[in-house]
Amino acid sequence: AQKITQTQPGMFVQEKEAVTLDCTYDTSDPSYGLFWYKQPSSGEMIFLIYQGSYDQQNATEGRYSLNFQKARKSANLVISASQLGDSAMYFCAMREGNTDKLIFGTGTRLQVFP
Amino acid sequence: AAGVIQSPRHLIKEKRETATLKCYPIPRHDTVYWYQQGPGQDPQFLISFYEKMQSDKGSIPDRFSAQQFSDYHSELNMSSLELGDSALYFCASSGTSGKSVYEQYFGPGTRLTVT
Repeated sequence: AQKITQTQPGMFVQEKEAVTLDCTYDTSDPSYGLFWYKQPSSGEMIFLIYQGSYDQQNATEGRYSLNFQKARKSANLVISASQLGDSAMYFCAMREGNTDKLIFGTGTRLQVFP
Repeated sequence: AAGVIQSPRHLIKEKRETATLKCYPIPRHDTVYWYQQGPGQDPQFLISFYEKMQSDKGSIPDRFSAQQFSDYHSELNMSSLELGDSALYFCASSGTSGKSVYEQYFGPGTRLTVT
């Protein structure tokens, strides 16, 4: 079974609008972490936001917020007030237990149009 | 703020050659991770080091080896290169306390092309 599922291969959003990128995960470990990364066409992998499984509040970083719904095993990324520079591939990832490795989803390509 | 540094940024090698990729973590970060991202794919974890010791291992081929040095920089050595090794290789680092222990910050990547 897929550990991280991103069901939206591509998304379009108009500038200044908010957009939600979906991510569901599968783990039986009570301790885990969820991450979102942005990968522009230039290739670098930019860390956006992190949510621990025991964190009581949803993580927020500027225009990014993580909508963490533990019972549904979902960790959607919400980008508010989209900008043209937000156009990129977005990856959801998970770390389980005491392991180091991040398991990535297949990504969602976001296009912001004027 | 200082970021993860990787060198070289681009590398072209022929089949059966060797390659060495270098990674310099963010200052005061003690854990280094290596990932491989093939064309159009998501990154795959290779190996990680904490305080110069291997801490976790993923799908790293036996032809590859890595180590972390006393100054915390890391090198990924790749031998008998194959066409399928062509990929973007990322190094990431994480810190020593609080949430920074979990947050992995990636470098810009080394694009390896094997011909």
